[in-house]
Amino acid sequence: DAGVIQSPRHEVTEMGQEVTLRCKPISGHDYLFWYRQTMMRGLELLIYFNNNVPIDDSGMPEDRFSAKMPNASFSTLKIQPSEPRDSAVYFCASSFGGKREQYFGPGTRLTVT
Amino acid sequence: AQTVTQSQPEMSVQEAETVTLSCTYDTSESDYYLFWYKQPPSRQMILVIRQEAYKQQNATENRFSVNFQKAAKSFSLKISDSQLGDAAMYFCAYRSHRDDKIIFGKGTRLHILP
Repeated sequence: DAGVIQSPRHEVTEMGQEVTLRCKPISGHDYLFWYRQTMMRGLELLIYFNNNVPIDDSGMPEDRFSAKMPNASFSTLKIQPSEPRDSAVYFCASSFGGKREQYFGPGTRLTVT
Repeated sequence: AQTVTQSQPEMSVQEAETVTLSCTYDTSESDYYLFWYKQPPSRQMILVIRQEAYKQQNATENRFSVNFQKAAKSFSLKISDSQLGDAAMYFCAYRSHRDDKIIFGKGTRLHILP
């Protein structure tokens, strides 16, 4: 069984550029979560979806961040324009039924210079 | 609001020895789930063990076991016969039965000494 797939694994971009991170959840999972991990703030939940519908985006830092889930097998997290403080590891996770454990992807390490 | 506290930022243990990682949480709810996740240098977050609050029996997974003390709101992880591959950051996490979100602690970095 394939786990959660994220791409790219590493992204280096210049300040002001648009960044798109991609996630494919585990087949059959109906919840998808986006997290950001930094040394200073630890693991933060940004947004999560249930059946492709955003349920809680209160963790999204500001309007520069947006997330979509056009279908059950694909989600994107976009940052436009990117800033150096957005540098972090971004994780996608999925679960079957919101009250079950979450399975994480390998993460995307984003560096904004 | 619920919180998860891991009071040990770093710990070290000799290979083949046993180590216990501490975790406390704060909640007013009676029904919830607790998890331990492992994050090795590859940064992949791996579920180690899960405990349902309504179960009195402590969860075990091979060399990993928990000591769940509901009244004390404590959820420690014991790793027996430590192996070099156990070196990682370990996160304690809480999820309310009524919520879809998981709250993570700040993590404990575990070093295994050969």
